[in-house]
Amino acid sequence: DVKVTQSSRYLVKRTGEKVFLECVQDMDHENMFWYRQDPGLGLRLIYFSYDVKMKEKGDIPEGYSVSREKKERFSLILESASTNQTSMYLCASSFPRLADSYNEQFFGPGTRLTVL
Amino acid sequence: GNSVTQMEGPVTLSEEAFLTINCTYTATGYPSLFWYVQYPGEGLQLLLKATKADDKGSNKGFEATYRKETTSFHLEKGSVQVSDSAVYFCALSDQGGKLIFGQGTELSVKP
Repeated sequence: DVKVTQSSRYLVKRTGEKVFLECVQDMDHENMFWYRQDPGLGLRLIYFSYDVKMKEKGDIPEGYSVSREKKERFSLILESASTNQTSMYLCASSFPRLADSYNEQFFGPGTRLTVL
Repeated sequence: GNSVTQMEGPVTLSEEAFLTINCTYTATGYPSLFWYVQYPGEGLQLLLKATKADDKGSNKGFEATYRKETTSFHLEKGSVQVSDSAVYFCALSDQGGKLIFGQGTELSVKP
């Protein structure tokens, strides 16, 4: 079974702190994604990566950065945490897009971040 | 741009009731369509999928049919159980392999 793990289930940080959220997958997937989940808004894509050292902005990249130094690991960084970044963060991974447009993503359990 | 719209929740049903959660989409081309489920305290799991028009995805008693003419992918189950209580997300896969999600529908099933 595909396993996507996230470093913490719950985090509490203070405004202005630098926050690292780590994601590791064990299926040799090329693609990795970071989403935030907020009630009534569904999941919104923050950043994604199609390969090591590659990164692409998603729909809401402001206030975030990412790092992908190894294929299995994708880190989300909040350079200076703010209260409006309090949310559930979900990591996902997938194989490259197939010709028939099918591309299933596998999700980690999520990290619930609270910024005080 | 591509988008997904789901019926608003929460939806509350009694055990053994029939479930429908509506999902419509806007997309260029021919996206794949998905239903994901999130049980309390967990990440998302793929429930079912359909890759082309008229395909029916099914799993665990849930079904959804890819309707190109109505741009819909409604989720149905004939008889829900308490264990089906969760949040359900409809999503489409765009040309770059990214997923675009609806806002989610919370389902609560009472005994």
